[in-house]
Amino acid sequence: AQKVTQAQTEISVVEKEDVTLDCVYETRDTTYYLFWYKQPPSGELVFLIRRNSFDEQNEISGRYSWNFQKSTSSFNFTITASQVVDSAVYFCALSEPYGGGTSYGKLTFGQGTILTVHP
Amino acid sequence: KAGVTQTPRYLIKTRGQQVTLSCSPISGHRSVSWYQQTPGQGLQFLFEYFSETQRNKGNFPGRFSGRQFSNSRSEMNVSTLELGDSALYLCASSLEPIVASGTEAFFGQGTRLTVV
Repeated sequence: AQKVTQAQTEISVVEKEDVTLDCVYETRDTTYYLFWYKQPPSGELVFLIRRNSFDEQNEISGRYSWNFQKSTSSFNFTITASQVVDSAVYFCALSEPYGGGTSYGKLTFGQGTILTVHP
Repeated sequence: KAGVTQTPRYLIKTRGQQVTLSCSPISGHRSVSWYQQTPGQGLQFLFEYFSETQRNKGNFPGRFSGRQFSNSRSEMNVSTLELGDSALYLCASSLEPIVASGTEAFFGQGTRLTVV
């Protein structure tokens, strides 16, 4: 089973539409971290947000908001009033400091969601 | 302040050769992590270093190795290159180890390695 599953491979929207990117994760660690990163065409990943497993507060940053629900192991990302500049690949990632019982900590990325915002 | 610098940006190597990639982190950052990105396998964590010590590693064969120097600069080495090693290799720097602390990481633009 995938540790981090991003349900949508590709999403296409028209500017000003709201869009939600889904992320479901799986871990046995009680302490873990979840991330969202954006990868524009230039290639470098840009950090968007980090959540630890003990903080279920939702967060809003401008047009971006995140919904973390431990009960459903989900960490979804919503862009409100999307813009062309939001077009990129978005990755959800899970950090397991204790590696789910293995000797090394683990960092696992989802397969990414390609978001295209049309003018 | 300067960002994360990866060199070279592009590289073409022949099967069986070895390659060394370099990553200079943001000044003051002591942690460097490495990632491989391919169309088939996606983005995968290779390993991370903090204060010259490898702290965590992903599921890659021993042909992939790395090290970190006292100035926090890091190198990644791949020996006996295979066609499947063709990928974008990204490095990231952070103040603390990303796996253990979940800290914000800053990424370089990557090295595009092509193995022929």
